[in-house]
Amino acid sequence: DVKVTQSSRYLVKRTGEKVFLECVQDMDHENMFWYRQDPGLGLRLIYFSYDVKMKEKGDIPEGYSVSREKKERFSLILESASTNQTSMYLCATAGTGYSGELFFGEGSRLTVL
Amino acid sequence: GQQVMQIPQYQHVQEGEDFTTYCNSSTTLSNIQWYKQRPGGHPVFLIQLVKSGEVKKQKRLTFQFGEAKKNSSLHITATQTTDVGTYFCAGDFGNEKLTFGTGTRLTIIP
Repeated sequence: DVKVTQSSRYLVKRTGEKVFLECVQDMDHENMFWYRQDPGLGLRLIYFSYDVKMKEKGDIPEGYSVSREKKERFSLILESASTNQTSMYLCATAGTGYSGELFFGEGSRLTVL
Repeated sequence: GQQVMQIPQYQHVQEGEDFTTYCNSSTTLSNIQWYKQRPGGHPVFLIQLVKSGEVKKQKRLTFQFGEAKKNSSLHITATQTTDVGTYFCAGDFGNEKLTFGTGTRLTIIP
């Protein structure tokens, strides 16, 4: 089974803090994604990567950056957290191209005070 | 931008009743996927539809892709308590990313 592990299930941070969300997968998938999920808005794509050191902006990249130094690890970075970044963050991987089946992690619920 | 509209946002049904959720796009999709998210869980892939007019079944679930590849539906026959959750469609516009609908939250009244 594909395992997608997100480093923290719950985080509470203060406005202006730098936040790292890490995602690790064990299935050798090329494609990795970061989504945020908000009530009534569904899942919105922040960034994705289809190779090491490659990254592409999704629909809502503002206020976020990503890092992919190793194939199995994809990190989401909030340089200066703001209250409107309070959300559920979901990491996903896909092995068969950008529109293949997505495998999601358990999610990281971030609260910014 | 390209959007996938999904309705209804909520659906409450008596156990044993049928349930349907619909997704619509203003432009043609390359394919569409469906996911289920249980309360407190993460989305789990259900199926992918690729061909125009395609119909696929998984036990009590029936998935359809419209002839114009602009709409899709998920129908559940005789709902059970295990069907509770939020159902998402996700469309591929051929632009290297999936666009998710806003989801339909299904609750079952026993």
